[in-house]
Amino acid sequence: GENVEQHPSTLSVQEGDSAVIKCTYSDSASNYFPWYKQELGKGPQLIIDIRSNVGEKKDQRIAVTLNKTAKHFSLHITETQPEDSAVYFCAASEDSWGKLQFGAGTQVVVTP
Amino acid sequence: NAGVTQTPKFQVLKTGQSMTLQCAQDMNHEYMSWYRQDPGMGLRLIHYSVGAGITDQGEVPNGYNVSRSTTEDFPLRLLSAAPSQTSVYFCASSLHERGSYEQYFGPGTRLTVT
Repeated sequence: GENVEQHPSTLSVQEGDSAVIKCTYSDSASNYFPWYKQELGKGPQLIIDIRSNVGEKKDQRIAVTLNKTAKHFSLHITETQPEDSAVYFCAASEDSWGKLQFGAGTQVVVTP
Repeated sequence: NAGVTQTPKFQVLKTGQSMTLQCAQDMNHEYMSWYRQDPGMGLRLIHYSVGAGITDQGEVPNGYNVSRSTTEDFPLRLLSAAPSQTSVYFCASSLHERGSYEQYFGPGTRLTVT
């Protein structure tokens, strides 16, 4: 089955700097790669996703890149703000019903 | 819309007890799933359903049962609770229209088994 590895497990950045989280996946059949943000005491919430026919996608300060050959994808957050502090999860899925395989998560702390 | 709701928010069980975690959604989503979240392990899929009357196992199904009699509800049953089932449980739903696979998560149920 699919295996998703996520790095780093914790990331501390100064407000205004950029944050990058990287994930690798094992199953070349995976074709859908979402990123979820989880704030303390809440359920995860989708922030951006990308499908395998696209190499990069942006939404304001966040972007995701996908390298199918190397089987890795990354989340980029620019101009970080204190409200970006949360746990971020990457995930991968190969079927149309979206059975997601999650990475272990990255705790991002943005310090003022 | 209330979105995805889960009850209870917190629960403490003794080993061997059974209970049902409730999940409901009011978005008419076909797909519903249950995940458990443990420290350092992300979220792992327990069971999922692609529509009323249809369920299937995920990555970690042992010790859990599900049923889907209506589109709205997807309860998760713990048959005989064990300390290894101490976790935070999340229910999620999604519509699965072409180009849209976003899963909407509930607020979670924190379960402790002693």
